[in-house]
Amino acid sequence: RKEVEQDPGPFNVPEGATVAFNCTYSNSASQSFFWYRQDCRKEPKLLMSVYSSGNEDGRFTAQLNRASQYISLLIRDSKLSDSATYLCVVKGANFGNEKLTFGTGTRLTIIP
Amino acid sequence: NAGVTQTPKFQVLKTGQSMTLQCAQDMNHNSMYWYRQDPGMGLRLIYYSASEGTTDKGEVPNGYNVSRLNKREFSLRLESAAPSQTSVYFCASSESRVQETQYFGPGTRLLVL
Repeated sequence: RKEVEQDPGPFNVPEGATVAFNCTYSNSASQSFFWYRQDCRKEPKLLMSVYSSGNEDGRFTAQLNRASQYISLLIRDSKLSDSATYLCVVKGANFGNEKLTFGTGTRLTIIP
Repeated sequence: NAGVTQTPKFQVLKTGQSMTLQCAQDMNHNSMYWYRQDPGMGLRLIYYSASEGTTDKGEVPNGYNVSRLNKREFSLRLESAAPSQTSVYFCASSESRVQETQYFGPGTRLLVL
């Protein structure tokens, strides 16, 4: 089983719609979770961290479900500029092993 | 601030040739990383340097060597390139090993024929 699994998509969504992605992780001891965004042929950039209580940043909402070991990202009122690949990222729990593990990404295209 | 810079942007090598990918950051970060990204696979860590003077293997270190030249610079060397090393290589940095946000360079696209 992969450490971090995502639906690769592509998700083709009309502008203004709401879209949600899920990501599952295998290590129940993982401590920190993130969503990164990667535009075509560009470098990944941090979109937001995911906290146990859930967190919101404008149109973006991230949720963590530790019992089921998944995290989610919800994008409301989607914009053309939201078209990108969204990477689910999990940070290791053990001291000396705080590396980030990246999912393969979910590709989102917003259609005018 | 340029952030994280990488050179070259593109490179074509023949099997068996060697090359060094350069990375520099101007954010005074302690930790630096080298990843490769292949289609259908997530970013995979090749090597990292938690602080100046230290380097450690990541998930896929075979065929690579690294040098943390100083706090700013972290280079990745392919001694004898193989077609399996065709990939996009990203350098990243963070304030520390435990600091969660990593800042990535623009990447180097490498083709090994």
